[in-house]
Amino acid sequence: NAGVTQTPKFQVLKTGQSMTLQCAQDMNHNSMYWYRQDPGMGLRLIYYSASEGTTDKGEVPNGYNVSRLNKREFSLRLESAAPSQTSVYFCASSEGGLAGEQFFGPGTRLTVL
Amino acid sequence: DQQVKQNSPSLSVQEGRISILNCDYTNSMFDYFLWYKKYPAEGPTFLISISSIKDKNEDGRFTVFLNKSAKHLSLHIVPSQPGDSAVYFCAAPNYGGSQGNLIFGKGTKLSVKP
Repeated sequence: NAGVTQTPKFQVLKTGQSMTLQCAQDMNHNSMYWYRQDPGMGLRLIYYSASEGTTDKGEVPNGYNVSRLNKREFSLRLESAAPSQTSVYFCASSEGGLAGEQFFGPGTRLTVL
Repeated sequence: DQQVKQNSPSLSVQEGRISILNCDYTNSMFDYFLWYKKYPAEGPTFLISISSIKDKNEDGRFTVFLNKSAKHLSLHIVPSQPGDSAVYFCAAPNYGGSQGNLIFGKGTKLSVKP
């Protein structure tokens, strides 16, 4: 089992460019999440999907959109990247509900110039 | 306002000694807590958890203590090993409101020196 995979691992964008971060899990988990981690800020929830077909905003959703494509895949889109979105992005999944142990991917390091 | 606080950004400990990482919370509705460990360039991994019906949970070298009256929990690592050097995050599920989900502290970077 690969667990949670994320692509790409690294990305550099110019201000105003768009991109989609991909995430997939092979653990048959119902819930999936996107976090960002900034220096000294811990992990902050951007969006989550409690189950296939549903998505909800987290703590810092502005500037992002998500798609729960199917049970396995949950993508994060930046429509018009800004330097403030320079961060490390983590995708995670969990078995059910909104709490409890989550399994994280290796992260995508994004730099917006 | 931070609901989960880790006030020590870093901690340095000698190999073989005890490491104690602290976490405070403000929301008395929190009833379950988790600790995650993160190595550089990797995602966080779950380490240990505790429910509010307990005041202690032990897993090998790792023990988490919960003091509900003080809204404080701590992670003890005994004995500390160089491989324990990582960033440790305390987290709690936020069942209410639109945010849901886990709320993380800012993390404590543990360095275990040989």
